[in-house]
Amino acid sequence: SQQGEEDPQALSIQEGENATMNCSYKTSINNLQWYRQNSGRGLVHLILIRSNEREKHSGRLRVTLDTSKKSSSLLITASRAADTASYFCATASNSNSGYALNFGKGTSLLVTP
Amino acid sequence: EADIYQTPRYLVIGTGKKITLECSQTMGHDKMYWYQQDPGMELHLIHYSYGVNSTEKGDLSSESTVSRIRTEHFPLTLESARPSHTSQYLCASSESTLSNTEAFFGQGTRLTVV
Repeated sequence: SQQGEEDPQALSIQEGENATMNCSYKTSINNLQWYRQNSGRGLVHLILIRSNEREKHSGRLRVTLDTSKKSSSLLITASRAADTASYFCATASNSNSGYALNFGKGTSLLVTP
Repeated sequence: EADIYQTPRYLVIGTGKKITLECSQTMGHDKMYWYQQDPGMELHLIHYSYGVNSTEKGDLSSESTVSRIRTEHFPLTLESARPSHTSQYLCASSESTLSNTEAFFGQGTRLTVV
């Protein structure tokens, strides 16, 4: 199955700094999405970028997509302690799994005051 | 908050017991999914459904089974729980094809089999 692979696995920064997470995937996709998961909870959708888009913004979030390199990045600007969570990329494509999302291993972000 | 609910939130049960994890959504979504997630690790798709009476197995082999008799309800059953089934189980739903829509997740059920 194709699954996104995020790096780094863990990231620790101070409030006010920017956090960048990367995601790589294996096959062609329809779109790529980023989700956030607080400890022990479900995932919350952050942003979706389609395969024909290269960059997208939403508040303090900036996502880029490079389909030639099969990679995406999520930038969180001016981070806050409340941004502490795990972040997952997920790819959607017409695969053996139908239209289900395939998730990567996630990046654990810690933002310290 | 998304209108998708999982019960129970936590379950500790003995080996060999039959259990059903409940998942319900009030958004009228056709697509529903079950993911398994071990602590600090990636999500694995174990079951999904395109609509009523449609169920498919995901990429990760699972001894669990699912049913979809009503649009809003997608329960997962383990006939005989084992310690290897200890994990977090996440249910999700989406409106249509995931090409253009987001998935909404429940809060998860953390299952411990002793």
